[in-house]
Amino acid sequence: DTGVSQDPRHKITKRGQNVTFRCDPISEHNRLYWYRQTLGQGPEFLTYFQNEAQLEKSRLLSDRFSAERPKGSFSTLEIQRTEQGDSAMYLCASSRGQGQPQHFGDGTRLSIL
Amino acid sequence: GQNIDQPTEMTATEGAIVQINCTYQTSGFNGLFWYQQHAGEAPTFLSYNVLDGLEEKGRFSSFLSRSKGYSYLLLKELQMKDSASYLCAVSHGDSNYQLIWGAGTKLIIKP
Repeated sequence: DTGVSQDPRHKITKRGQNVTFRCDPISEHNRLYWYRQTLGQGPEFLTYFQNEAQLEKSRLLSDRFSAERPKGSFSTLEIQRTEQGDSAMYLCASSRGQGQPQHFGDGTRLSIL
Repeated sequence: GQNIDQPTEMTATEGAIVQINCTYQTSGFNGLFWYQQHAGEAPTFLSYNVLDGLEEKGRFSSFLSRSKGYSYLLLKELQMKDSASYLCAVSHGDSNYQLIWGAGTKLIIKP
């Protein structure tokens, strides 16, 4: 069990650029979640995969946000045409199933200049 | 609507005991999680309660009352490294995957 891995840890980019983050979940976990977190708040749910199927994406913040999990293993979160308000910590988590704890990666901190 | 309330901030003394409360209002209930989050780091899992009562795990214990929509996290023998935010999250009945998260309680430990 190597834990959930996220890459990069930090991303600084100019407004209007596209960014992509990667998440590698714990290998035996079939559930994968993306969250956004800002200072002083709890994680804000974005989207959820069970294996390769994206079962919930209505909480993605706008059509600029998209996520994939092509082979049911790693996942990517893409933000197109970034805006100042996208600056936040983006967290990925994975779990075995309902009622099981979600284990989080160290997150990707996005800063928009 | 779905709602979780926690105190914003608490202060306690090294070596003492502190209780962090969490109240929730959700449509259905499938369990409650507590997480610890140090500044700039990811949340780490502490405990899970699905039945009423107290779950003890070392210096940390978590209590649940489903009828009251209430939980608390009890931290004993506080250490400086316990300074962190403590997040309460509920698995609710409308979803078999989505958690409702509280904003977290920032715990400050003083020597």
